[in-house]
Amino acid sequence: SQTIHQWPATLVQPVGSPLSLECTVEGTSNPNLYWYRQAAGRGLQLLFYSVGIGQISSEVPQNLSASRPQDRQFILSSKKLLLSDSGFYLCAWSRDQDSRGYEQYFGPGTRLTVT
Amino acid sequence: ELKVEQNPLFLSMQEGKNYTIYCNYSTTSDRLYWYRQDPGKSLESLFVLLSNGAVKQEGRLMASLDTKARLSTLHITAAVHDLSATYFCAVDRVKTSYDKVIFGPGTSLSVIP
Repeated sequence: SQTIHQWPATLVQPVGSPLSLECTVEGTSNPNLYWYRQAAGRGLQLLFYSVGIGQISSEVPQNLSASRPQDRQFILSSKKLLLSDSGFYLCAWSRDQDSRGYEQYFGPGTRLTVT
Repeated sequence: ELKVEQNPLFLSMQEGKNYTIYCNYSTTSDRLYWYRQDPGKSLESLFVLLSNGAVKQEGRLMASLDTKARLSTLHITAAVHDLSATYFCAVDRVKTSYDKVIFGPGTSLSVIP
């Protein structure tokens, strides 16, 4: 079976500090990978998605970046955090369009507080 | 541009009652997904609707899709407190290559004893 991991689970960082969040998927190959951010009490904002190693599409211009160094690893980074970067960061994966479309499977999330 | 709306955005209902959450989208889409998010938790997939007229049921929840009307409904039967959560619908389009999935804003459901 497939599992998706995210770490850390919670993070408190000062403004201007760097960020690195990691997501790994087990039990599948060549998944589509996604990073979302959810502000408190709000909906999902798609940040990045990737259909393969080194292929990253950015949805929102901001101070965040993403990389996919391995097939099942997706990393979200920032060189300098802003207060507005606080939120719940969710990683998700999907298969490449099969009998269940692009049904997404979400990781447990990282709760980031920028102080 | 594909846009997804849900209504209501907030719903407070009594246990034992029935209610329907609506998901409308702006352009032709072929597939629709429903997800559930418990407070402070991640999202989990509830239903995948892949064609016009598709109906899926799980326990007290039933989802349907009308692609001609660009509408999906999530019907709750005899609500119980355990159904309190935020429900998101999401849509995408069948294409030869990946096209992103668009999520609705979510409906926050609170079931009151």
